[in-house]
Formats: sequence, structure tokens, C-alpha cells
Amino acid sequence: DAGITQSPRHKVTETGTPVTLRCHQTENHRYMYWYRQDPGHGLRLIHYSYGVKDTDKGEVSDGYSVSRSKTEDFLLTLESATSSQTSVYFCAIRVNTEAFFGQGTRLTVV
Amino acid sequence: AQTVTQSQPEMSVQEAETVTLSCTYDTSESDYYLFWYKQPPSRQMILVIRQEAYKQQNATENRFSVNFQKAAKSFSLKISDSQLGDAAMYFCAYRSPNTGNQFYFGTGTSLTVIP
Repeated sequence: DAGITQSPRHKVTETGTPVTLRCHQTENHRYMYWYRQDPGHGLRLIHYSYGVKDTDKGEVSDGYSVSRSKTEDFLLTLESATSSQTSVYFCAIRVNTEAFFGQGTRLTVV
Repeated sequence: AQTVTQSQPEMSVQEAETVTLSCTYDTSESDYYLFWYKQPPSRQMILVIRQEAYKQQNATENRFSVNFQKAAKSFSLKISDSQLGDAAMYFCAYRSPNTGNQFYFGTGTSLTVIP
């Protein structure tokens, strides 16, 4: 167990509202990632972090922002949710060579 | 960015038989890592097996083994003695030691195990 938790696990929100997903790790791993999973697309990287206040964009970063003010927390924010952001969101941490994932958050934008 | 291709959206196998899932990738790097992850209906992503590119020997974990062909940029997963619990979505993944240590994933192969 790599000690990574996501909250909330499920969320339904309305178009145009802001949404923040939280990823929390219990250890001090440097690298953290946010992915979205959609049928036919696999997992696509939204943003990642390589340290406190050090973040960078992934391949599908439009409409998303992130923050990492503490080593253990990596927040993903949808500033104004759209229906195209309905997805399952996964947080991951890099432990040695591999990635360990949280349980995922199913987000529905109506 | 590196690309990972899984050309088999769906596969099926009889229980106790062997199945091979295909994966190819595109990279100009010489040192990298490759992975297979399993995602059962619970949605949890589970690491199945890992391969370092500098190792010529193919990785093995119990009933799971890989066929790593570096020159061909191919990384297939063989599941022997398939069990009902092997039914899941399988993702191939690539990690670069550069470019922010990003993990790149294929689109997945859905494996059905037939009793």
C-alpha cells in the first residue's frame, strides 16, 4: 500500500462550477501526477508535479490547474467545469521506478 | 511525446489457457521503463510487471511474463494458466527517465476469461 488517497470518490457538479479534487500521500514522494481515463483513450496526463510548487502541464491540461503547497497534497482544479470533463480522474505517485495509483474519482458534469 | 500503442481493444481466453497481449511504443531514448498495469472492475490500477530497458532478460512474475524486443520497440504480456480473476483491462505503460519522469499509457486491452 503506497498510502495514496483521493477525495472525493464520486462527484456530480453543474456546468460552469469550480471543482477541486484532492490527492493525498502519506509518504514524501517527489513526483505526483493527475490523469484522466476515458473509454478509447486510456490514461492521459493532465498535470504533474516534481516538488512543492513545481508543476508542469501534461497532454490534456486545458481547463485544469493544479497546486502543490505541501509535499503530501496535490490538488486538481477545474475552474469552470464542462461536460467534456466528465471522466474518471486518477492521482498517482512515483515510488522508485513505478507509479502507484489512488482509487480514482468519478466526476460527472451535468 | 512518446506514444504507446495497444492494437487489441478486446481479447478473450479460455480458462487455464495462455494469452498474449501486444504493445508497441515509439521512443528515441535508449534508457526507459516499461510496465503492464491491470485494472479490474473495481477500477483500482494494479502493477502487474515491470521491465527495465537496459536489461536483456525478460521479466517474469509467476504466471505473467513479457517478451521485450527493444529493437522492435515491442513489449507483449503473456498470461499463462489464465484464471477468472485475470479478467480486467490491461494497460501498457512507458516511463521516460527524462521529460519529467512522465508515464505514458496505451489505450488498453479488455481481457475476458471464459470458464
